[in-house]
Amino acid sequence: DAGVIQSPRHEVTEMGQEVTLRCKPISGHNSLFWYRQTMMRGLELLIYFNNNVPIDDSGMPEDRFSAKMPNASFSTLKIQPSEPRDSAVYFCASRATWGQHSYNEQFFGPGTRLTVL
Amino acid sequence: QQPVQSPQAVILREGEDAVINCSSSKALYSVHWYRQKHGEAPVFLMILLKGGEQKGHDKISASFNEKKQQSSLYLTASQLSYSGTYFCGTEISRNAGNMLTFGGGTRLMVKP
Repeated sequence: DAGVIQSPRHEVTEMGQEVTLRCKPISGHNSLFWYRQTMMRGLELLIYFNNNVPIDDSGMPEDRFSAKMPNASFSTLKIQPSEPRDSAVYFCASRATWGQHSYNEQFFGPGTRLTVL
Repeated sequence: QQPVQSPQAVILREGEDAVINCSSSKALYSVHWYRQKHGEAPVFLMILLKGGEQKGHDKISASFNEKKQQSSLYLTASQLSYSGTYFCGTEISRNAGNMLTFGGGTRLMVKP
């Protein structure tokens, strides 16, 4: 299994530009999570999906952030327009539904390091 | 609400032991432990389910006291490779939507 795949791994952009982060969860996992990690705020849950449906987006900082999951194998996190304070590492993670596996650990992707100048 | 981890940071000499605690204000169904090395993604260590079980992984073990709503991670005879930030993730219900709430992390540095 390839694990959770994220792209790009690094993104440098200028303030005001649109940024799109991509995630491919592990096949068979039906929960997908987007996190943001900074030194100041630690690991924050932004939004998560169950069976492609957004369940809780209360962690999304503001309307500039949006996330979609059009199918079970793909999700995007978009920031428009981007600001310097959005600079962080963004992780995508996936997990299997209870009952289908003995251990329901959450697997993290390698992350996207975003720098907004 | 975010679980509270303690200590926030610890420095050890190789071979020493350490305990990292994770406390919640809510009743828990499960506790998950992860380790993150600098510049990398968090990596799963173990899950503890409701029932007070204790688990082990090499020289790293953990316990879960559901009555006290807390979990502890024990690192025995620490190795240089144990360095990193340890996170606990808590789940309040089997049907809580599969969401984990992570603590602020404990930075562990093991020196030769």
